[in-house]
Amino acid sequence: DQQVKQNSPSLSVQEGRISILNCDYTNSMFDYFLWYKKYPAEGPTFLISISSIKDKNEDGRFTVFLNKSAKHLSLHIVPSQPGDSAVYFCAAGNTDKLIFGTGTRLQVFP
Amino acid sequence: KAGVTQTPRYLIKTRGQQVTLSCSPISGHRSVSWYQQTPGQGLQFLFEYFSETQRNKGNFPGRFSGRQFSNSRSEMNVSTLELGDSALYLCASSQGRGKARGYTFGSGTRLTVV
Repeated sequence: DQQVKQNSPSLSVQEGRISILNCDYTNSMFDYFLWYKKYPAEGPTFLISISSIKDKNEDGRFTVFLNKSAKHLSLHIVPSQPGDSAVYFCAAGNTDKLIFGTGTRLQVFP
Repeated sequence: KAGVTQTPRYLIKTRGQQVTLSCSPISGHRSVSWYQQTPGQGLQFLFEYFSETQRNKGNFPGRFSGRQFSNSRSEMNVSTLELGDSALYLCASSQGRGKARGYTFGSGTRLTVV
């Protein structure tokens, strides 16, 4: 039972354009949501988070949107840069657990 | 401030053997979680330890076990290795049990079972 889903395994975007990565979850008890970025041969690194009391959080080029009624969150990267090419994992959790999605591989080309 | 340290970085084992992986969390972090990463499966939760007690366990067979020591260092053990256990094993630490700040991950141990 995959409680956190990233339905797009890969995404290709031109440099300077917007990248939109999507994530769906099923458990309404999740109250915190995070995005991690992972480069090959490294562990995931924390990117941005949002709590369930908000619907948007922005940090520089990265914005996370949360739609609680649809149990959906998305990560927007504007503008996309080649260094953003990595695997992005969304995660949802509460005090007890943190569940990760399967990841989306983002490729930003010149 | 030192990050999360996992040893060894790479490991090759034969089917049927057992293996022990080690994780040293960030100083002051008391919670350690373990994840398995395989292609197409994302990060699968194995277990979480807090103050030497297992607080949560994922859906993995009993061949997967772990423990945490008084200095918060953690070990993960896999017995009777199977080919399907080949994966990247990631350890993550956090200050407390709340997940609001997320985790800090180590670089992982790449286990190959042949």
